[in-house]
Amino acid sequence: EAGVTQFPSHSVIEKGQTVTLRCDPISGHDNLYWYRRVMGKEIKFLLHFVKESKQDESGMPNNRFLAERTGGTYSTLKVQPAELEDSGVYFCASGPRGLNTEAFFGQGTRLTVV
Amino acid sequence: AQTVTQSQPEMSVQEAETVTLSCTYDTSENNYYLFWYKQPPSRQMILVIRQEAYKQQNATENRFSVNFQKAAKSFSLKISDSQLGDTAMYFCAFIAANAGGTSYGKLTFGQGTILTVHP
Repeated sequence: EAGVTQFPSHSVIEKGQTVTLRCDPISGHDNLYWYRRVMGKEIKFLLHFVKESKQDESGMPNNRFLAERTGGTYSTLKVQPAELEDSGVYFCASGPRGLNTEAFFGQGTRLTVV
Repeated sequence: AQTVTQSQPEMSVQEAETVTLSCTYDTSENNYYLFWYKQPPSRQMILVIRQEAYKQQNATENRFSVNFQKAAKSFSLKISDSQLGDTAMYFCAFIAANAGGTSYGKLTFGQGTILTVHP
């Protein structure tokens, strides 16, 4: 069974540009989460989808970040325009419906804004 | 709000020896789960071990065990017989749960501990 897959694994962009990160969850998982780790700090929650609906987006830092989950399958996280402080590792995780004590993580996308 | 603190940015251990990683947390929730996740270099983060707060018995998974001290809000990870493949970043994490044991919301993570196992 395929795990959670994230694309790209690395991205280097200039300040002001747009970047779109993609996450393919484990098939059948209704729950999808985005997290971010800024250099040297803890991993922080960004938002949570249940199928295609945003259950909790309280962690989204500002309106430059837009997350979507088309048809309850894969999800994208777009940063527009990117700022230097957006650099970090973006993790996606998915979990089955209901009891969700375990989240399965992707390998992360390392974003560097220069 | 919950907080999770890992006070050891880096640790090292010789192969075959035992190492303990520390984690403390703070919460007002009555029920919750605690986790240790491992992220090897350039690889996916995987679950190492999980502890349910209402269970007094410490969780164990092969060479990995926890020392869960609920009153002290401490959740340390012990790795016995360390192997080179244990080299990774280790994250302690917390998730709230309802009385029925169903978790809800998001994971709250600590800052991580880089563990290096030396041959």
